[in-house]
Amino acid sequence: SQTIHQWPATLVQPVGSPLSLECTVEGTSNPNLYWYRQAAGRGLQLLFYSVGIGQISSEVPQNLSASRPQDRQFILSSKKLLLSDSGFYLCAWSWNRGTEAFFGQGTRLTVV
Amino acid sequence: GQQLNQSPQSMFIQEGEDVSMNCTSSSIFNTWLWYKQDPGEGPVLLIALYKAGELTSNGRLTAQFGITRKDSFLNISASIPSDVGIYFCAGLKSGGGSQGNLIFGKGTKLSVKP
Repeated sequence: SQTIHQWPATLVQPVGSPLSLECTVEGTSNPNLYWYRQAAGRGLQLLFYSVGIGQISSEVPQNLSASRPQDRQFILSSKKLLLSDSGFYLCAWSWNRGTEAFFGQGTRLTVV
Repeated sequence: GQQLNQSPQSMFIQEGEDVSMNCTSSSIFNTWLWYKQDPGEGPVLLIALYKAGELTSNGRLTAQFGITRKDSFLNISASIPSDVGIYFCAGLKSGGGSQGNLIFGKGTKLSVKP
């Protein structure tokens, strides 16, 4: 069976510090991978998606970047965090484009 | 971007009551999905619908894919306290690029009636 792991679960970072959130998927090959942000417990906003290693598409302009160094690894990064980067970040995977997505447990990021 | 109109935004339930929520769109979708999110966790897929008119059940949950392909509803029968959480509908279109991304509703928050 497939599982998705996301860490850390919670993170408190000062403004201006770097960020690295990691997500890995097990039990499947060449998944489509996604990073979402959720503010105030509602509304999922798609930040990035990837259909393969090194292939990243950005949905919204922002202070964040994503990378996919391995087939089942997806990383969300920032060089300098802003207060507005606080939120709940969710990684997800799907078999193909246009199929249902399965989410990780999320990372609660608080920028102080 | 595209939006799904999900209603109601929130509702209070009393144990044993039936609950209904729905999603509508001006666009046609090939797949409708319903997720539930508990506080501090990621959304969990409850039901997936793939064909117009399809009616699918998962325990006390029943969801339907509208005939027009522009709407879907979710019913929860005989609600229990663990049903509280936020329910999201999501629509999918086939195709590559951004076309293949999930479009989410803004959620229906279920709380226990005080």
